Amino acid sequence: DAKTTQPNSMESNEEEPVHLPCNHSTISGTDYIHWYRQLPSQGPEYVIHGLTSNVNNRMASLAIAEDRKSSTLILHRATLRDAAVYYCILWPNSGYALNFGKGTSLLVTP
Amino acid sequence: SQTIHQWPATLVQPVGSPLSLECTVEGTSNPNLYWYRQAAGRGLQLLFYSVGIGQISSEVPQNLSASRPQDRQFILSSKKLLLSDSGFYLCAWSVRGGGETQYFGPGTRLLVL
Repeated sequence: DAKTTQPNSMESNEEEPVHLPCNHSTISGTDYIHWYRQLPSQGPEYVIHGLTSNVNNRMASLAIAEDRKSSTLILHRATLRDAAVYYCILWPNSGYALNFGKGTSLLVTP
Repeated sequence: SQTIHQWPATLVQPVGSPLSLECTVEGTSNPNLYWYRQAAGRGLQLLFYSVGIGQISSEVPQNLSASRPQDRQFILSSKKLLLSDSGFYLCAWSVRGGGETQYFGPGTRLLVL
């Protein structure tokens, strides 16, 4: 299965934008890029996903590189409630994601 | 709207004892169902997934098993727990098909002593 690489941790100040990177150099043409986040002691929560074009929703934006080998999750204004582990995973169009990896632990400071 | 339930929320079991964790989904039909485990300090590992009643696929060989006796019910079981079975167990569902968003339950925290 195609793998992703994310930094172990990142830190941001409250009210500032956050850019969370993800590398997926072995992505295949039919893999969707999904982002989830997990707050402490809770199950993961869907954030956003895309295939080729950049995507926006009420939670975040997803910027996908032209060659699709990397993507960036953008939180426009970080809040304390955004402190979580963020997972970038590749979801085959005709299969199942296997592992979420360790993700990026985002610390937001006031 | 759809909801997913898991119980119990926490469980402490001795080594060698049996296990049964239940997951039910409401508000949708024919979902794909998944069991994940998250060991302390690690990412989520897919254990089983199911595309229909009685259809179970295992991703990791181990002493756990899964069953789907009804369309919206998914059960994770073990005949004899090991210390290494401790972790946070999460059930999830998605609309039938690949590449779909998964919706996770609240999880069961299992401690095997």
